Amino acid sequence: KQEVTQIPAALSVPEGENLVLNCSFTDSAIYNLQWFRQDPGKGLTSLLLIQSSQREQTSGRLNASLDKSSGRSTLYIAASQPGDSATYLCAVEGQNFVFGPGTRLSVLP
Amino acid sequence: GAGVSQTPSNKVTEKGKYVELRCDPISGHTALYWYRQSLGQGPEFLIYFQGTGAADDSGLPNDRFFAVRPEGSVSTLKIQRTERGDSAVYLCASSPDRGLETQYFGPGTRLLVL
Repeated sequence: KQEVTQIPAALSVPEGENLVLNCSFTDSAIYNLQWFRQDPGKGLTSLLLIQSSQREQTSGRLNASLDKSSGRSTLYIAASQPGDSATYLCAVEGQNFVFGPGTRLSVLP
Repeated sequence: GAGVSQTPSNKVTEKGKYVELRCDPISGHTALYWYRQSLGQGPEFLIYFQGTGAADDSGLPNDRFFAVRPEGSVSTLKIQRTERGDSAVYLCASSPDRGLETQYFGPGTRLLVL
């Protein structure tokens, strides 16, 4: 059974810092991995989708990497802003979707 | 519509009652997913539809939970004999097709069973 974990559970940083969020999964037989953002009381917004054959994807200040063999992905956020404050979730797609518990990020002005 | 919509946004019910939660996916999206999210946790997969049929219902916790999508667009998640442990946010998502596609999520229905 696929299990997804995320470290750290929560993170608080001053504005402008670069930061890394970590995601680990136990079964490397995945089709893709996605990073989502969730704002309080709202649904999820997809940030980046990495297919199993890819190593990384970039969108603006975000960069996500995937190492399928070691069961790890990282989300790098450059020059963080207060508007980045949210919960960040990673999810892997195998037979179905399995989400991690999320990292709650606070970027302080 | 422009995005995935879910109704109601909030539902309070008493233990033992029956509830229906509705999801309107993005027009033309053939894949539809239901998830349940408890406080402080990530979404938990419940069921996936491809068109009108439930392609994967392995995440439904027990036979009190049932979902339909009779015409291949709107879906209804039905919970019988609700229990306090069913309290959670129920999220719906749709995508153009199953596979390497981005899922678009609705805002969720917050269910509270008293």
